[in-house]
Amino acid sequence: AQSVTQLGSHVSVSEGALVLLRCNYSSSVPPYLFWYVQYPNQGLQLLLKYTSAATLVKGINGFEAEFKKSETSFHLTKPSAHMSDAAEYFCAVSAVTGFQKLVFGTGTRLLVSP
Amino acid sequence: DTAVSQTPKYLVTQMGNDKSIKCEQNLGHDTMYWYKQDSKKFLKIMFSYNNKELIINETVPNRFSPKSPDKAHLNLHINSLELGDSAVYFCASSTYRGPGELFFGEGSRLTVL
Repeated sequence: AQSVTQLGSHVSVSEGALVLLRCNYSSSVPPYLFWYVQYPNQGLQLLLKYTSAATLVKGINGFEAEFKKSETSFHLTKPSAHMSDAAEYFCAVSAVTGFQKLVFGTGTRLLVSP
Repeated sequence: DTAVSQTPKYLVTQMGNDKSIKCEQNLGHDTMYWYKQDSKKFLKIMFSYNNKELIINETVPNRFSPKSPDKAHLNLHINSLELGDSAVYFCASSTYRGPGELFFGEGSRLTVL
């Protein structure tokens, strides 16, 4: 079985500050890992994905995440927060083998203050 | 052109009623999904179809019946609605095998009174 744990249901940062959203995964097989973003009243949009190539993955809007197998982590970072980054962020995992069944974490709401 | 479109966007109905949500994708994907997002934003997979065949059924009450007339469409019918069915229902699509991504619709917010 696979699962992800997102630490912190809310993260608050100031505009221009570093964004760090934490995700730890559990998987009995090699995982694919994803970060999705959900803006208010919208569907989920892929930010980035890890597919066992490079461990440092760059995504859209200046976000990146690093896959650390030893720590079973896939934390999301952005060097400088922008007001438009305020949204709900979801980490998700699926198995490398088999069909796409994404299991999502509980989400982290990012709040950005001026 | 919207890639994954759901209708209706909002439903408000009484307990005991039956309602349907429709989903269509124009991405050429062969796999479609229904996810339920509760009031705490938790997303849980309900069903998945691959080429009209049911491949995931996550212990959802049998009041929920998905139907896939073709690989571009996946509908969700809910009988005898209960208060606990209030949620946002998301349709998504993908290719069958990874490491692709899921493409989500904008969601259908169901409120049961």
